[in-house]
Amino acid sequence: SAVISQKPSRDICQRGTSLTIQCQVDSQVTMMFWYRQQPGQSLTLIATANQGSEATYESGFVIDKFPISRPNLTFSTLTVSNMSPEDSSIYLCSVGLVSTDTQYFGPGTRLTVL
Amino acid sequence: EDKVVQSPLSLVVHEGDTVTLNCSYEVTNFRSLLWYKQEKKAPTFLFMLTSSGIEKKSGRLSSILDKKELSSILNITATQTGDSAIYLCAVEGGSNYKLTFGKGTLLTVNP
Repeated sequence: SAVISQKPSRDICQRGTSLTIQCQVDSQVTMMFWYRQQPGQSLTLIATANQGSEATYESGFVIDKFPISRPNLTFSTLTVSNMSPEDSSIYLCSVGLVSTDTQYFGPGTRLTVL
Repeated sequence: EDKVVQSPLSLVVHEGDTVTLNCSYEVTNFRSLLWYKQEKKAPTFLFMLTSSGIEKKSGRLSSILDKKELSSILNITATQTGDSAIYLCAVEGGSNYKLTFGKGTLLTVNP
């Protein structure tokens, strides 16, 4: 497996502000993803973070609201922009390992928007 | 649209009981089915299943896939309070490792 870290682990933010979440992996991985888990719900894929190019967003998610960067094979950021209370969720990054064909998750960021 | 349905949504048992969690799916270009355990924030990987009829086992947990019935079960024998968690089923369809998750089963094991 891979060791994945996320920062911050939690934050409380005011509406209208933005928060950037970082995801760091201890090895070079091909696939990196960002998921959201709203309270009481399951995980929903936001986007696939592509190294050196624009992220691929799922239906219902747009770049202006959730800009993503992936400057190299071990690091990615997700920004939650112009936040509202509806953005209160756990945000998780995950990586896909070609060697095991399995996806592993980071520890998550719990975001509360007041 | 890809769909994953888990049942039951919640389950309360006593320590020592055996439980069976269910997952059914409708996914284009099925590649694999994965089970995760979620206790706080991060889901931790349990099993990945790709072939029908082959049971995967890890201690008291086991899982099997039925591609004909488009379903999988996760069994936990001799449950312990530490098994209390949300168990998530996810299916990978198409390319790119994209996972579609079910809503999860909340398992509570009482002493």
